[in-house]
Amino acid sequence: DIQMTQSPSSLSASVGDRVTITCRASQAISNYLAWYQQKPGKVPKLLIYAASTLQSGVPSRFSGSGSGTDFTLTIISLLPEDVATYYCQKYGSAPPLTFGGGTKVEIK
Amino acid sequence: QVQVVESGGGVVQPGRSLRVSCEVSGFTFSSYAMHWVRQAPGKGLEWVASISYDGSNEYYADSVKGRLIISRDKSKNTLYLQMNSLRGEDTAVYYCARDMGYSAYGRALDYWGQGTLVTVSS
Repeated sequence: DIQMTQSPSSLSASVGDRVTITCRASQAISNYLAWYQQKPGKVPKLLIYAASTLQSGVPSRFSGSGSGTDFTLTIISLLPEDVATYYCQKYGSAPPLTFGGGTKVEIK
Repeated sequence: QVQVVESGGGVVQPGRSLRVSCEVSGFTFSSYAMHWVRQAPGKGLEWVASISYDGSNEYYADSVKGRLIISRDKSKNTLYLQMNSLRGEDTAVYYCARDMGYSAYGRALDYWGQGTLVTVSS
């Protein structure tokens, strides 16, 4: 089975900082990768799919890149409302969906 | 607008069964694959099962294979998860989520319900 490894597991950054989260697949998955944001006590929300396509309504300060085994989620200027745990998720091959372990983003 | 509403969670003893449901509206249910994703208290997201748009294909995580069964009823716009031989490690919030495509292999999940809590405890 393909494993998804996120790093770091948590980070603390200042408002306005550029934040980068990495997700690595144990095998190549082309661009079959999505990113989700889960705010404390809330339901996960789709941010990005196909590695770099922004879901409708998601602010443009979020961006995704990568292909094959290495992917990144970038928040170009961190805002207080971005405090959340972020998950990557692979799709398109068996077993269908695998989530990364999550990255908790806090404000310094 | 799209609505996804789970129900049926509760406290159940180990070894017993429970069925949770997910009623959807605001889109053509029979055109999309659907998934169950769970989250144990304080833990990350774990995909549980998926079903194709027409119910012809299902996939399960190894941790639930043979115990949990996903199904759908297009006449009721409802997704189900039949949970048998429940264990303590099945304790979690169970989310129902719509796939962006029709295949049970899955794509990204664009609409999620609020979740229903299942607690397995004696």
